Formats: sequence, C-alpha cells, structure tokens
Amino acid sequence: QKEVEQDPGPLSVPEGAIVSLNCTYSNSAFQYFMWYRQYSRKGPELLMYTYSSGNKEDGRFTAQVDKSSKYISLFIRDSQPSDSATYLCAMKDTGRRALTFGSGTRLQVQP
Amino acid sequence: GAVVSQHPSWVICKSGTSVKIECRSLDFQATTMFWYRQFPKQSLMLMATSNEGSKATYEQGVEKDKFLINHASLTLSTLTVTSAHPEDSSFYICSASQALGDSPLHFGNGTRLTVT
Repeated sequence: QKEVEQDPGPLSVPEGAIVSLNCTYSNSAFQYFMWYRQYSRKGPELLMYTYSSGNKEDGRFTAQVDKSSKYISLFIRDSQPSDSATYLCAMKDTGRRALTFGSGTRLQVQP
Repeated sequence: GAVVSQHPSWVICKSGTSVKIECRSLDFQATTMFWYRQFPKQSLMLMATSNEGSKATYEQGVEKDKFLINHASLTLSTLTVTSAHPEDSSFYICSASQALGDSPLHFGNGTRLTVT
C-alpha cells in the first residue's frame, strides 16, 4: 500500500465548475500538507500549505484537512481553462524534511 | 516569494557522457536541497537530500556514484549524472526550503534529460 493515494484521473470538467481533488494517507506521522500544481514540463508550483485540520482558503482555492480520517482535499471554485494541469498532494512529518507525493491528478477544464 | 532556479531546463547528451544540473535558491539561503526524479505521467520520487557542507543522503536504490551531488554553498546544489545511459532519461527537479523547521518546499522548473 502506498503511503499517499491519489486518483490519477484524468478529470474533465466544464469551465466554471467546482473541482474536488482528494488524497488519502496511511502514515499518521504526517503533519504538514501541501497541494502543488504542475504544468507539463514544469516544476511543481506551491498552491496551498496547511498543518492543522480544518479549512484554509486562498482565492478560488480551499484546502481541507481531516487528520482523523487521514484525508485531504483541494477545492477549486469557478474553474478556468488555465487551471488545467496536474495537481499533486504532498505531505511530510516533523522528523523528515523531504515530501511524500501522491501520484497526481490530471485536471482538464473545458472552455 | 521564494524562488528556486534550475539550469539547464533541458539537455541532450550522448550515452557515456556526464551531465551537470544546477539548482540555485535565488532569494534565500537553503541549508538543505532535495533532488527528485519524475517519469512521464508519474509522481516525483525523492533521489537524495543535499546538505550544505556535508555528504548527500541517498534514497534506497539510488546509486550515489552515478548521481553525484555537491552542495558547496547555501544557495547552490549540483547533480551530476555520470556515464549517462538512455534509461537515465527523465525529468529531474530540485527543491529547497527557506529555513530549518517546517517551511514549505519550493521547486525549480526541472531539467529534462535525454540520453541518446
């Protein structure tokens, strides 16, 4: 079993839709949770960074963490074609500075 | 915001030659940098952790004599792929964090290596 599970997609939605991306994890030591966006042939770009259960909002993006269920989500409101990319969840524990990534979900927003 | 610069963005080399990839933190000091490898449509896999002034720590299965890492300063780490083979063709990405503790990692734009 992988430490971090993420549905690879692809996920195709119409412009303006609300997108929900999810990851589950098995390692209860993970305390820090991140979402990255990666365009083709580019490095990952940090979108959200959280370290506590609950919601964190930044513009059209909301990150949600449920440590009791070992489940994290990223919501994208009013999705745009420019949001089309691969979204990677990542997490780490306090004893290790490197990240453990999910496999990434490919999102396609249709105009 | 924290910026990590990686160079070159792409490189083609012949089998048996060596290739050096640079990773720089432009506006902050990074005591630790990380090197990842990504195959097409797959996630990032950690190769090694690069610590300034000391030897790198390699993940299991990564050949340290093939992937030489040097972290000579607080803003520069290099990855040298020695005696490259076609199976080394991949997307190599570095990352760094601003300080000790739990600040988030920022990534370079990656280097696409093609070995012919």
